Amino acid sequence: DAMVIQNPRYQVTQFGKPVTLSCSQTLNHNVMYWYQQKSSQAPKLLFHYYDKDFNNEADTPDNFQSRRPNTSFCFLDIRSPGLGDAAMYLCATRSGSGLHNEQFFGPGTRLTVL
Amino acid sequence: KQEVTQIPAALSVPEGENLVLNCSFTDSAIYNLQWFRQDPGKGLTSLLLIQSSQREQTSGRLNASLDKSSGRSTLYIAASQPGDSATYLCAVRYTNAGKSTFGDGTTLTVKP
Repeated sequence: DAMVIQNPRYQVTQFGKPVTLSCSQTLNHNVMYWYQQKSSQAPKLLFHYYDKDFNNEADTPDNFQSRRPNTSFCFLDIRSPGLGDAAMYLCATRSGSGLHNEQFFGPGTRLTVL
Repeated sequence: KQEVTQIPAALSVPEGENLVLNCSFTDSAIYNLQWFRQDPGKGLTSLLLIQSSQREQTSGRLNASLDKSSGRSTLYIAASQPGDSATYLCAVRYTNAGKSTFGDGTTLTVKP
């Protein structure tokens, strides 16, 4: 029944070692988001896709990249993780059309950087 | 700058109490507002979505209201239960294609 799926749920990487987080959705939604959330803070938008159109937030570090090969999948690549990148990474989707335009979130991936 | 504020940051109530969580936004020209619940270490669960043309939405023991003129939304929880303990976040969108601006959340503890 899961609608937004994130793998893995927990990821441990070493300082500077590239890591990829994945998100998939069964909702056929146009819009997919990646957020970073640190403890007791609001989710911070990194980037989003509207279909294939990529939208990067101005303050998202170059260290973070994303790919969306098809409607269902979206990936977050962290090229050289630093200690400050340890956080919960949340994927979300939204229809992009119609009135009932809720965001649906996945369970998140907790990233630890050693 | 479009800002969203949730006060208080934390709230503790005894089981059975009715309570209100607050969300304030600086720009009243919103498109919609969404309330979420987040349990520790988990993702966000959507609770209610209010369109700009609506005044309130209800789901079970939850009722969310929207007053654009005062830049405020409230989430009313009736007959609170320990299982309601979580962080509650509101998110405001200003256009259909735009991003959401989140508040920092209110962490609710309901004591048995």
